[in-house]
Amino acid sequence: AQSVAQPEDQVNVAEGNPLTVKCTYSVSGNPYLFWYVQYPNRGLQFLLKYITGDNLVKGSYGFEAEFNKSQTSFHLKKPSALVSDSALYFCAVRDSTGGGADGLTFGKGTHLIIQP
Amino acid sequence: EPEVTQTPSHQVTQMGQEVILRCVPISNHLYFYWYRQILGQKVEFLVSFYNNEISEKSEIFDDQFSVERPDGSNFTLKIRSTKLEDSAMYFCASNAGGGRGSWSGANVLTFGAGSRLTVL
Repeated sequence: AQSVAQPEDQVNVAEGNPLTVKCTYSVSGNPYLFWYVQYPNRGLQFLLKYITGDNLVKGSYGFEAEFNKSQTSFHLKKPSALVSDSALYFCAVRDSTGGGADGLTFGKGTHLIIQP
Repeated sequence: EPEVTQTPSHQVTQMGQEVILRCVPISNHLYFYWYRQILGQKVEFLVSFYNNEISEKSEIFDDQFSVERPDGSNFTLKIRSTKLEDSAMYFCASNAGGGRGSWSGANVLTFGAGSRLTVL
């Protein structure tokens, strides 16, 4: 069975500072990893994904994430936070041995609060 | 940019009533999904649908749930007899991929804005 852990319910960062939202995962095969963001009263919006190749992936709105196989982690990062980054962030995983029908397994989400 | 649209945005119903949540996936997508998010909890997979049949379903998706693609554009989730614990935000999603063993598992799911179901 696959699982995702987001150990922090909330992360507080001052505007302009770097931010990190943590995610660790567990799958039996190789992982496909995703980050989604949810703004109030909106659906989940895709930020970035890791499939294969370079461990550092870049996504929307200046976000990036680093895949670390030995630590089974896929932390989301941004060099300089904006107040508009405040939202709920979800990490998700799918086993690469499956196909498109397999459900994504999500973490419980991390509230990111950027203080002016 | 293409969107997944869901209706209604909010539905309040009495326990034991039937509810149908509707979704219009992105037109050229092949896989369709329902997820739910109970308030304050994680987003949970319910079911995936491909080639006009259920592909995968979770333990949550019991006999009270059903899905249908009645007309080639809409994708519906029906809850036959709602329970209090069915209160949640229900998200529809779609995916352009096709075929097990292909890269379809790497494709991005596009989610709708959700339908909030409140069971009283």
